[in-house]
Amino acid sequence: DTEVTQTPKHLVMGMTNKKSLKCEQHMGHRAMYWYKQKAKKPPELMFVYSYEKLSINESVPSRFSPECPNSSLLNLHLHALQPEDSALYLCASSSQTEMNTEAFFGQGTRLTVV
Amino acid sequence: DAKTTQPNSMESNEEEPVHLPCNHSTISGTDYIHWYRQLPSQGPEYVIHGLTSNVNNRMASLAIAEDRKSSTLILHRATLRDAAVYYCILRPLEPEHLSSGSARQLTFGSGTQLTVLP
Repeated sequence: DTEVTQTPKHLVMGMTNKKSLKCEQHMGHRAMYWYKQKAKKPPELMFVYSYEKLSINESVPSRFSPECPNSSLLNLHLHALQPEDSALYLCASSSQTEMNTEAFFGQGTRLTVV
Repeated sequence: DAKTTQPNSMESNEEEPVHLPCNHSTISGTDYIHWYRQLPSQGPEYVIHGLTSNVNNRMASLAIAEDRKSSTLILHRATLRDAAVYYCILRPLEPEHLSSGSARQLTFGSGTQLTVLP
C-alpha cells in the first residue's frame, strides 16, 4: 500500500468554524508533511513531523494547529480561518530510515473559507 | 536551502522526447536531485531522483551534469497524460538526519508547466 489518504476531499467552512483535516498512511513512514498550495503556485511547506514530533514549523499562523497522534496519522486543526486561507492542503510522507527515498503525496483537501 | 531554476513553461509534441532542464549551481555534495510532477487537480507524484550518475526508471531518465550544477529530466515519448507541472527539487541528506531522526525538507521551486500538443 503506497497511498497517502486525505479526508475530506473538499471542505467549506465559515470563519468562525473549527474543522480538522486528516491524513493517513500505512507505509511505516516516520516523516509526515503538511503543505499549502494556492492556485497556479507551487506547494508551500507548513509543518514537518519526524517520529511523531514537530520538527519544522514554517512560521505558520496559530489558527493552523498540527497534530500527529500516532505514526500513521497526521491531523491539521483549523480555527478562525480567513478567506485567504482557501487553498489545496496536501499531506506527504517519507521514510526516515532509508537513504534518500521519495515522498508520497495525498490528493489533497480543497478548502474554501467563506 | 540550495535553489533550483527552471523555465516557466515548455511545449512538446505528442510521442516526441522532452528534455526538461534544471539549474542548481549552489548544490552541495549531499544534495540529491529529485523530480516530481503534479498533474491537474492531483497531488505531486515522484518521478525520479539521483545523486551523481544518470538514472533511468519506467517513467523517465535523469541526466546529471558532471559538475552537478544542472540536470535534465528526459521523457522519452511524451503523451498527453504527461502534461503537468514538473518540479526539480534538491533534497539534502546529512548523515545526522538518519541518526537523529530529524526530518529532511522537501521544498518546491516554481516548476515547469509542460504542455503536450496532439
